[in-house]
Amino acid sequence: AQSVAQPEDQVNVAEGNPLTVKCTYSVSGNPYLFWYVQYPNRGLQFLLKYITGDNLVKGSYGFEAEFNKSQTSFHLKKPSALVSDSALYFCAVEAAGPDTGFQKLVFGTGTRLLVSP
Amino acid sequence: DARVTQTPRHKVTEMGQEVTMRCQPILGHNTVFWYRQTMMQGLELLAYFRNRAPLDDSGMPKDRFSAEMPDATLATLKIQPSEPRDSAVYFCASGSHLPTRALAKNIQYFGAGTRLSVL
Repeated sequence: AQSVAQPEDQVNVAEGNPLTVKCTYSVSGNPYLFWYVQYPNRGLQFLLKYITGDNLVKGSYGFEAEFNKSQTSFHLKKPSALVSDSALYFCAVEAAGPDTGFQKLVFGTGTRLLVSP
Repeated sequence: DARVTQTPRHKVTEMGQEVTMRCQPILGHNTVFWYRQTMMQGLELLAYFRNRAPLDDSGMPKDRFSAEMPDATLATLKIQPSEPRDSAVYFCASGSHLPTRALAKNIQYFGAGTRLSVL
């Protein structure tokens, strides 16, 4: 069964510093991987996805993620953090389903990012 | 600006009462998901629909929960009877399905959620 692990409950970083939020996955076959962000009292918002192709994926708000097949990782990164990036970040992998195409996602437990001024 | 609309945003009810949550997916999206989020369990998928038909509801307690799509513009999640342990934020999400996986957009668009408190 597909699964993702986010080993850090919280990541603290100072504004202007680079940030990394870690994610590892377990899936049979080629993975479809995603990052979503959740701001307080809001639903999740899509940040970026990896389907195939270039291992470095660029997404919204200056975020990017690096797909590493040998390490089964999909870490989220940003070169320079902003206070407004403080939020809850979820990694997800698409699960196999009863038909082809768009299936349900299996989400990690989330990592809270706190960017201090 | 297309968005998923959920009503009500907040609901407080007493144990044993019926609760109905509604979701209007983005126009043209044919896949709808229901999630529950709690501090203890995180984000759990309850059920999802494709073209109004249930595709997977294995995450949903069958004895008290039911999910339907009366039409393409409305999805409902009902709890009857409600219990204090059902207190959570319930999210609806919608997405666009294309038959060939490589072409599928695979992005879920979430509503703002319904915060349910069962006393």
